[in-house]
Amino acid sequence: GAVVSQHPSWVICKSGTSVKIECRSLDFQATTMFWYRQFPKQSLMLMATSNEGSKATYEQGVEKDKFLINHASLTLSTLTVTSAHPEDSSFYICSARERGDIAGELFFGEGSRLTVL
Amino acid sequence: SQQGEEDPQALSIQEGENATMNCSYKTSINNLQWYRQNSGRGLVHLILIRSNEREKHSGRLRVTLDTSKKSSSLLITASRAADTASYFCATVAYTGGFKTIFGAGTRLFVKA
Repeated sequence: GAVVSQHPSWVICKSGTSVKIECRSLDFQATTMFWYRQFPKQSLMLMATSNEGSKATYEQGVEKDKFLINHASLTLSTLTVTSAHPEDSSFYICSARERGDIAGELFFGEGSRLTVL
Repeated sequence: SQQGEEDPQALSIQEGENATMNCSYKTSINNLQWYRQNSGRGLVHLILIRSNEREKHSGRLRVTLDTSKKSSSLLITASRAADTASYFCATVAYTGGFKTIFGAGTRLFVKA
């Protein structure tokens, strides 16, 4: 099956620093990737849709200047949490659909746990 | 934003018993999917049911969809300890692009 790799798995940073999380589709091309955020014992909240070669589409309430998304190729999307603060601590998960599949199964990365001190 | 509710929020059963989880949603959908998440891990897709389908089977999984009631159920038969995980329903609808929105999830614990 399609594999999505997410890196790093966990990161601890100081308040005010920026953190970049990478999401790669290893054996398929993904024109669209999705970034979710999950708090402990809660559901996944869609943050933004990452579109290859164009600007990301952010969900209501998500600060685009805070969470920078770049989707520079058909296999890589990055999420940068800028000037991170403790309230940004969370589990961030990326997902992707195979190219040409507009509404089907999502393939998920293993998630990145961010802790901001 | 979350699409809807799932119940129960948590379910504890004995190995061998069946587990039923329900999901309700609010808007018209293209399809509904169920995912499984082990603690602290990514999600794994289990099954997809289209809006014009009413029931679907995959191994020990049975999913139903009632679009008139905007609800779905996931049945896991003959549960195993390894089925212990969180289960999420997710609806796919077009809102300027096909987005997948997740329900609140059901935490299933299967006792050996």
